[in-house]
Amino acid sequence: KNQVEQSPQSLIILEGKNCTLQCNYTVSPFSNLRWYKQDTGRGPVSLTIMTFSENTKSNGRYTATLDADTKQSSLHITASQLSDSASYICVVILSGGYNKLIFGAGTRLAVHP
Amino acid sequence: ETGVTQTPRHLVMGMTNKKSLKCEQHLGHNAMYWYKQSAKKPLELMFVYSLEERVENNSVPSRFSPECPNSSHLFLHLHTLQPEDSALYLCASSQDWRPLLEEETQYFGPGTRLLVL
Repeated sequence: KNQVEQSPQSLIILEGKNCTLQCNYTVSPFSNLRWYKQDTGRGPVSLTIMTFSENTKSNGRYTATLDADTKQSSLHITASQLSDSASYICVVILSGGYNKLIFGAGTRLAVHP
Repeated sequence: ETGVTQTPRHLVMGMTNKKSLKCEQHLGHNAMYWYKQSAKKPLELMFVYSLEERVENNSVPSRFSPECPNSSHLFLHLHTLQPEDSALYLCASSQDWRPLLEEETQYFGPGTRLLVL
């Protein structure tokens, strides 16, 4: 069964600290993996898109990694800010001639001053 | 702003009511999507339209009826809903539906928070 599991479910950190969010997937065949940020009351916004051949991709203070062998991805946030408080959603897209998006349930991050 | 707007932002309705959710995208995209987001659950894809044709319907109950009059507008008509239908309904658009390549991304609207009493 195609699944995307994210951990932790929720996380609280202090402003200025780093954190890492995890995403494990059992999706096959794999096309690409995306991380989205969803602020409260808003729709998700794309942070990074990674294909099978990419190991690391950065977007400002956000760095995503992908290990296609172990089917794991992580999102590392450096020097967190209060505005980083949001849900972070991992999405894996199937290949194979049709579009199928498999969503994780998200990690809810709270950054406290 | 992402260029995708949704109205209303909040909606409370009884189980016998009929209401409609509206989505409009100003990005010139060809594909539009409806998603349901329930608390602590992954987003569920409900419908996909490409060039105003429905290309995917993920076993959604008939009490949800989509309509896409043109490539910029998407509606979700609601009737005789159940309390378990209470959720955040998100609209999204992308340049094309097939294929969703690495260069392609979906742009989401802010959602309509629906409460069914």
